[in-house]
Amino acid sequence: DTAVSQTPKYLVTQMGNDKSIKCEQNLGHDTMYWYKQDSKKFLKIMFSYNNKELIINETVPNRFSPKSPDKAHLNLHINSLELGDSAVYFCASSHLFPGELFFGEGSRLTVL
Amino acid sequence: RKEVEQDPGPFNVPEGATVAFNCTYSNSASQSFFWYRQDCRKEPKLLMSVYSSGNEDGRFTAQLNRASQYISLLIRDSKLSDSATYLCVVGGGADGLTFGKGTHLIIQP
Repeated sequence: DTAVSQTPKYLVTQMGNDKSIKCEQNLGHDTMYWYKQDSKKFLKIMFSYNNKELIINETVPNRFSPKSPDKAHLNLHINSLELGDSAVYFCASSHLFPGELFFGEGSRLTVL
Repeated sequence: RKEVEQDPGPFNVPEGATVAFNCTYSNSASQSFFWYRQDCRKEPKLLMSVYSSGNEDGRFTAQLNRASQYISLLIRDSKLSDSATYLCVVGGGADGLTFGKGTHLIIQP
């Protein structure tokens, strides 16, 4: 059983499209996160939710909108995709904030 | 701005050798410290937490120096399977955890 699962694992799309990445955790954690890892491998936090409430909202374009329907799910919707959005997006969860992070396998987004 | 700095390497080390790398952090109020390991095209995974008194897990030893604001990771008797990127992670307070850019380690046979 995968603790943190995200779909899709790979996503190739054209500039200007809208896409979503879904994340689910079965660890019973209260906090979930989205991280972006760019081509230089730098892992940077984008958003964090604690019990469905947004607690971290780093400086990311408004085109990125997270949504947490319940504390086990945190989805990421991206509007009007740009070339610079190409990256690996990791979902993670933790029991405490901040605490040990458990990552999903990543979603590799390529914008053409 | 809260920063975590690491030497990106790569560190090329022969199998069986001991290797150590440091990480410095700028936020003196940081309370949580970790080393994560990331293999190529995989997700980061926790290697070990770093405690004030230092801690050891098999061949791995982590140390924290609050006065100088750095943490270290020592790997003894290195194995080929230790080849990976090692991420220093520091956190505390409302900003969550901040990742360093990672140190790339290559163990050579």
